[in-house]
Amino acid sequence: DQQVKQNSPSLSVQEGRISILNCDYTNSMFDYFLWYKKYPAEGPTFLISISSIKDKNEDGRFTVFLNKSAKHLSLHIVPSQPGDSAVYFCAASKPTGNQFYFGTGTSLTVIP
Amino acid sequence: EAQVTQNPRYLITVTGKKLTVTCSQNMNHEYMSWYRQDPGLGLRQIYYSMNVEVTDKGDVPEGYKVSRKEKRNFPLILESPSPNQTSLYFCASSLMGTAKTPLHFGNGTRLTVT
Repeated sequence: DQQVKQNSPSLSVQEGRISILNCDYTNSMFDYFLWYKKYPAEGPTFLISISSIKDKNEDGRFTVFLNKSAKHLSLHIVPSQPGDSAVYFCAASKPTGNQFYFGTGTSLTVIP
Repeated sequence: EAQVTQNPRYLITVTGKKLTVTCSQNMNHEYMSWYRQDPGLGLRQIYYSMNVEVTDKGDVPEGYKVSRKEKRNFPLILESPSPNQTSLYFCASSLMGTAKTPLHFGNGTRLTVT
């Protein structure tokens, strides 16, 4: 039973434009959300996170938005760069924090 | 360099032949975990460990064993591998095992069981 879902397996965006990656979750116990980025032949690396007490967190070109009522979060990348081409995983955690639930990933391609 | 090291990177084996995938971290992290990545299923947690001698099941523990005898090492053991364990495996660690201390991942082990 997939508790974290990324319904878009892939996304293509022109360089300089905005990339929006979406993530939905079903478990209302989740209180912390993270985005990881993965390049081929490497492990995922942490990108940005957000606590459920916030609705937005920003780090440079990356912003994560959280809509708790809709159980939805999104990652915005502005402006998109070719080096952002990777698979992005959304993850969620409950207050105990010792288990992380990942989505299926969205493959982003930024076209130069 | 701070890192999580998995070995081997690639492994092809036959059904029933016991194997171990090693994982080591040099960051003095308390928490370590194993995941498998499968198409359409994302990353699923196999086992995790909050500290030495403390391990617990994740979402898909069947067919796997782990041990945490030392803080830095967290090997994944497949006693009798089967073809449905063909997958890409990732070891990860974090400072305290809370969501606010993000995971550091190894580069993965691609396992094929024939």
